[in-house]
Amino acid sequence: AQRVTQPEKLLSVFKGAPVELKCNYSYSGSPELFWYVQYSRQRLQLLLRHISRESIKGFTADLNKGETSFHLKKPFAQEEDSAMYYCALSDNSGGSNYKLTFGKGTLLTVNP
Amino acid sequence: DARVTQTPRHKVTEMGQEVTMRCQPILGHNTVFWYRQTMMQGLELLAYFRNRAPLDDSGMPKDRFSAEMPDATLATLKIQPSEPRDSAVYFCASGLVWGGTGELFFGEGSRLTVL
Repeated sequence: AQRVTQPEKLLSVFKGAPVELKCNYSYSGSPELFWYVQYSRQRLQLLLRHISRESIKGFTADLNKGETSFHLKKPFAQEEDSAMYYCALSDNSGGSNYKLTFGKGTLLTVNP
Repeated sequence: DARVTQTPRHKVTEMGQEVTMRCQPILGHNTVFWYRQTMMQGLELLAYFRNRAPLDDSGMPKDRFSAEMPDATLATLKIQPSEPRDSAVYFCASGLVWGGTGELFFGEGSRLTVL
C-alpha cells in the first residue's frame, strides 16, 4: 500500500529564512511524487513534480529513493509562500492505475 | 481557461438528509477523483474513475456514500443518510492519464456542514 507522511502539521518561519517541508513515502514500486499547494481562498494546484526537476517559485524538491523522501525546499521564504502544502504520490504500477495519494498537509506561515 | 466546476459550494443540512454533490470535469480529461478534506485527516481519497468506470472506491463508507459518472461531463457524490462526521470540504479533481502531464486539476470544493 502506498502512504505519504508529512510529519509537520504546522511550520512557521520568518521572511528570508530557509524553509524545508518534509515528505516521506512508502511505496513498493517506482513512485511519481508531487507537491501541491493551496493558497488562501484558492484552488489546490500543482506546485512541482519530481520528474520535471524544475524550480517553481523558488521551490525545489529532490526525490531521495534511499531515504524515501521528497522534501520541499526554498532558500529564502517570502510572505506570499504562506499556504497549505501537500505532498502526493502516484501509483503508476503497470501504467494502469495512476492513483494519487496525498499526505495530511503542512500549513506554512511566513512571518514578516 | 478550462476549470473543474463543483456545486454546491456550500451546503448546510440536518443529520439524516440526503446530500448530492456534483462535479463537471475538464472536457477531455479521462480521470476523475473525489477527495474529502478535514483538518485531522487532510485529503482523503474517496473514489476515482477512469473513462467513467469506477476504479477504486475503497476510501468511501459504502453504506452511506455512493459515487457515479452518468456521463463524461458529470460526476456525482451522494451521501444518504448524512451524519455530522461527514462535515468536510469535498473536492473533485480531473486529469488526463496517457497523453497528459499527470497533473490533477481541482475544483473549488463543496463545503458540507451536517448539523
